[in-house]
Amino acid sequence: AQSVTQLDSHVSVSEGTPVLLRCNYSSSYSPSLFWYVQHPNKGLQLLLKYTSAATLVKGINGFEAEFKKSETSFHLTKPSAHMSDAAEYFCVVSERGNRDDKIIFGKGTRLHILP
Amino acid sequence: DTGVSQNPRHKITKRGQNVTFRCDPISEHNRLYWYRQTLGQGPEFLTYFQNEAQLEKSRLLSDRFSAERPKGSFSTLEIQRTEQGDSAMYLCASSFGSHTGETQYFGPGTRLLVL
Repeated sequence: AQSVTQLDSHVSVSEGTPVLLRCNYSSSYSPSLFWYVQHPNKGLQLLLKYTSAATLVKGINGFEAEFKKSETSFHLTKPSAHMSDAAEYFCVVSERGNRDDKIIFGKGTRLHILP
Repeated sequence: DTGVSQNPRHKITKRGQNVTFRCDPISEHNRLYWYRQTLGQGPEFLTYFQNEAQLEKSRLLSDRFSAERPKGSFSTLEIQRTEQGDSAMYLCASSFGSHTGETQYFGPGTRLLVL
């Protein structure tokens, strides 16, 4: 069975400092992994996705994530936070099983940017 | 704008009433998904269609919920005899391809409040 755990419900960083949002997953098959961002009163937007190609995935707005199979992790990072990065971030795992597809969202991490 | 659209954006109803939401996906997308998101939680999968066929329904989708995609284009989600616990944001997403590893594009959501 697949699952996804976002280890922090809230993360606060100062503007200009690095961002790390943690995500661990479990999957019976080779998963696809995604990070989505949700700004207040806006729709979910894809930041990046991993689908068994390069393990280091670069996304929009300077974000990137590294797929580590041995650690079952897919942490999201950014070298330098901007005020506009304040939002809710969701880690998503998707796997194609024998009979159906499953997609599961994490509970989200709210990122706060301190001036 | 050719993104995913949802109508209405907000709906307030009294307990026991029926409500219907509409989702218009990106025109060439063959897959359409419905999710429910409650406060402080990630989106929870409800159901999805490939073209007009409803391929999977979550256990969250009680018999008061029904979804259709009659011509493989727009979709409707109906909730009968609404309950206060149905209050949530209902999200629609669409994708092109044959499994959930493809990128899903989300609409802005319909926020339902059941009084």
